[in-house]
Amino acid sequence: DAMVIQNPRYQVTQFGKPVTLSCSQTLNHNVMYWYQQKSSQAPKLLFHYYDKDFNNEADTPDNFQSRRPNTSFCFLDIRSPGLGDAAMYLCATSRDEAIGPDTQYFGPGTRLTVL
Amino acid sequence: AQKVTQAQTEISVVEKEDVTLDCVYETRDTTYYLFWYKQPPSGELVFLIRRNSFDEQNEISGRYSWNFQKSTSSFNFTITASQVVDSAVYFCALSDYSSASKIIFGSGTRLSIRP
Repeated sequence: DAMVIQNPRYQVTQFGKPVTLSCSQTLNHNVMYWYQQKSSQAPKLLFHYYDKDFNNEADTPDNFQSRRPNTSFCFLDIRSPGLGDAAMYLCATSRDEAIGPDTQYFGPGTRLTVL
Repeated sequence: AQKVTQAQTEISVVEKEDVTLDCVYETRDTTYYLFWYKQPPSGELVFLIRRNSFDEQNEISGRYSWNFQKSTSSFNFTITASQVVDSAVYFCALSDYSSASKIIFGSGTRLSIRP
């Protein structure tokens, strides 16, 4: 089945220790998104890639970076995690934003704990 | 500005009862899309439905039905004969051209179905 895969599902890191979360997709979608979701809140968009074109949200902290080496993979790097970065991180994909708003399909998420 | 309001923070019903989740949206665009997503305790956001602004037909899918009314800017979701497996957080969302195809999520409604 075509899908969005996130690894790992649970990640524990130490305060200030860099961490990378990964996302892959078999949907062959052009657009990939990273969201942060804290407890009892709606997902918050951090950034997205339209193909190789990176789009950062204005309020995304500099501590968060992303890489998309190819169509299938996208990574979220947190350079120096703080306690406030503990959250669920959701990856999503959609076909092509050039044709207008499209359905986003989400992965299962990575729950990040910062000690 | 775009906005999605889910006034019901939490709903609890007994199994087999019908339940309606309310969603009210704001947008200045004439072309927009509305979505419902389900987030079970596992954390994955599951796509349920997408509706475009030109299609006001109500939709039924099994026990799920959606009532889209442009006159009141509402897109309500009804679960008939609820089951324990329906317990989840449900997000209503909006995407339009002004938001550059980003999804604007409501704050979510936590639905608990008691046996």
